[in-house]
Amino acid sequence: GEDVEQSLFLSVREGDSSVINCTYTDSSSTYLYWYKQEPGAGLQLLTYIFSNMDMKQDQRLTVLLNKKDKHLSLRIADTQTGDSAIYFCAESITPNFNKFYFGSGTKLNVKP
Amino acid sequence: NAGVTQTPKFRILKIGQSMTLQCAQDMNHNYMYWYRQDPGMGLKLIYYSVGAGITDKGEVPNGYNVSRSTTEDFPLRLELAAPSQTSVYFCASSYTGQEVGYTFGSGTRLTVV
Repeated sequence: GEDVEQSLFLSVREGDSSVINCTYTDSSSTYLYWYKQEPGAGLQLLTYIFSNMDMKQDQRLTVLLNKKDKHLSLRIADTQTGDSAIYFCAESITPNFNKFYFGSGTKLNVKP
Repeated sequence: NAGVTQTPKFRILKIGQSMTLQCAQDMNHNYMYWYRQDPGMGLKLIYYSVGAGITDKGEVPNGYNVSRSTTEDFPLRLELAAPSQTSVYFCASSYTGQEVGYTFGSGTRLTVV
């Protein structure tokens, strides 16, 4: 499998911005994804970016992709306590079938 | 619209016992997957299916079996449970275009003692 790496923990104060980082190894990644997992729940797709894009913005979420460095980040503006969760980065490599490789997840703790 | 439904939510097995984790989706998705999530680790693909009657191994298939007799159902079977299979198991489904991503079930927490 491919290596997708994330830092394990991030703690921010409510109202601040959060930046969650991810690195991947396969330069032929076609899509890169961010998923959110709340306690006791499955993973929920937050956003995705195609590999020929540098940035994608969706309301409070901004995804930045540095393909040269194989670095993906998720910025959450005005972080709220409801954003506390585990965030997974994932990459999809094979265009003919949806095979994803997931990072180990970053646990975001938002302090009031 | 129920999405992806997994049962049971929790289960404790003794070493050597067998069980089937159920997964059903009602979105007419052709792709279905089984992942396991170990503490502090990412999700690892166990098996996947691209349509009824077609299954294939993922990264960590040993100790598991699957079948896909219908589009809706994708059960995962553990034949001889081992402590190494203690994990949270997620079923997911998707419909062709990979940009859509997966729809996940809420998971089955399995403990083998």
